[in-house]
Amino acid sequence: AQSVAQPEDQVNVAEGNPLTVKCTYSVSGNPYLFWYVQYPNRGLQFLLKYITGDNLVKGSYGFEAEFNKSQTSFHLKKPSALVSDSALYFCAVRDRNAGNMLTFGGGTRLMVKP
Amino acid sequence: ETGVTQSPTHLIKTRGQQVTLRCSSQSGHNTVSWYQQALGQGPQFIFQYYREEENGRGNFPPRFSGLQFPNYSSELNVNALELDDSALYLCASSLFTDRVYGYTFGSGTRLTVV
Repeated sequence: AQSVAQPEDQVNVAEGNPLTVKCTYSVSGNPYLFWYVQYPNRGLQFLLKYITGDNLVKGSYGFEAEFNKSQTSFHLKKPSALVSDSALYFCAVRDRNAGNMLTFGGGTRLMVKP
Repeated sequence: ETGVTQSPTHLIKTRGQQVTLRCSSQSGHNTVSWYQQALGQGPQFIFQYYREEENGRGNFPPRFSGLQFPNYSSELNVNALELDDSALYLCASSLFTDRVYGYTFGSGTRLTVV
């Protein structure tokens, strides 16, 4: 079985400061890892993915994430937060050898204050 | 290139009724997945359709069923609605042969069961 944990329900950060949204995962095989963002009353927008290769993945809107196999983590980061980054962020995992299902974490609400 | 479109955007049903939600996949995609997102939670995988057949199912009862049509669009049917079925239902399309990519999500259908 695969699972994702996002330990923080909410992350608060001041505009211009760096942000980190945490994610840890569990799969039996090798993972595909994803970050999605959700704005109010909207679907999920893809931010970035880790498939293989470089552990630092760069994505949309200046976001990046670092894959750490030993810690089974895939934390989302941004060097300088914007108020418009305020949204709900979801980490998701897919086991490469276990079908097509994405398993999502419970989500982390990011609040960026001016 | 069009994205994933879902209809209707909002729906109110009475407990015990049946509901059909619709999804048009992104151009070039041949696989459709459905997810249920309860309030304050991450999306949960319901099932996936490929070549008009169910190709993987999450932990949902048989009263959740689906269809995929030759043009790759899809329907989600839920019978005997329960109050706990109230949620945002998300459709995601992908290309079956592209194992490494993520999914394109629609904006969802908000179902309220009263």
